[in-house]
Amino acid sequence: DTAVSQTPKYLVTQMGNDKSIKCEQNLGHDTMYWYKQDSKKFLKIMFSYNNKELIINETVPNRFSPKSPDKAHLNLHINSLELGDSAVYFCASSHRGRASGNTIYFGEGSWLTVV
Amino acid sequence: GIQVEQSPPDLILQEGANSTLRCNFSDSVNNLQWFHQNPWGQLINLFYIPSGTKQNGRLSATTVATERYSLLYISSSQTTDSGVYFCAVVSSGGSYIPTFGRGTSLIVHP
Repeated sequence: DTAVSQTPKYLVTQMGNDKSIKCEQNLGHDTMYWYKQDSKKFLKIMFSYNNKELIINETVPNRFSPKSPDKAHLNLHINSLELGDSAVYFCASSHRGRASGNTIYFGEGSWLTVV
Repeated sequence: GIQVEQSPPDLILQEGANSTLRCNFSDSVNNLQWFHQNPWGQLINLFYIPSGTKQNGRLSATTVATERYSLLYISSSQTTDSGVYFCAVVSSGGSYIPTFGRGTSLIVHP
């Protein structure tokens, strides 16, 4: 029944590894997002994906790559993990451009710790 | 891009007290949402309120779009209200991407 679900919830991995976080939404939304929440709780957009249009935050290192097999899924792949990548990653979705507004719904977050 | 400022950054209350949280934004918006991030990290939708006033139990929100601010009122606070409150806006400029303020961290003591 979960509207936006992401896995895994917790991930501990070593520097240099490659990892993926998966996200799925069952709300019928056409836009999905990845946000990063740092240790100071600031939520910063990383990517937005709408009908094959990818909008990238230019400050995101190219070690991060989103992959969307269909509009219900947006996975986040991270190469060569660094200590500074430790954070909580939130997936979200909305219906872009809807007359009633694009209310955004969040998954429960994925806690990534790089050691 | 649009700037979003929330105040106060931190707030400590005794149970039963009332509070007002503020969100200022630098440009016109067509979407504004308030969220509560609970101590377990979940982001919970409180209000979708690009303009006007809404109420839900002890919480209410008002957005004055022409003056570019929104207020979240918490009445008779409870310990379960503790957490971080975020305001997120979507600029009318067409980026469609919600931009978050830095949040107000609320602690309610019993």
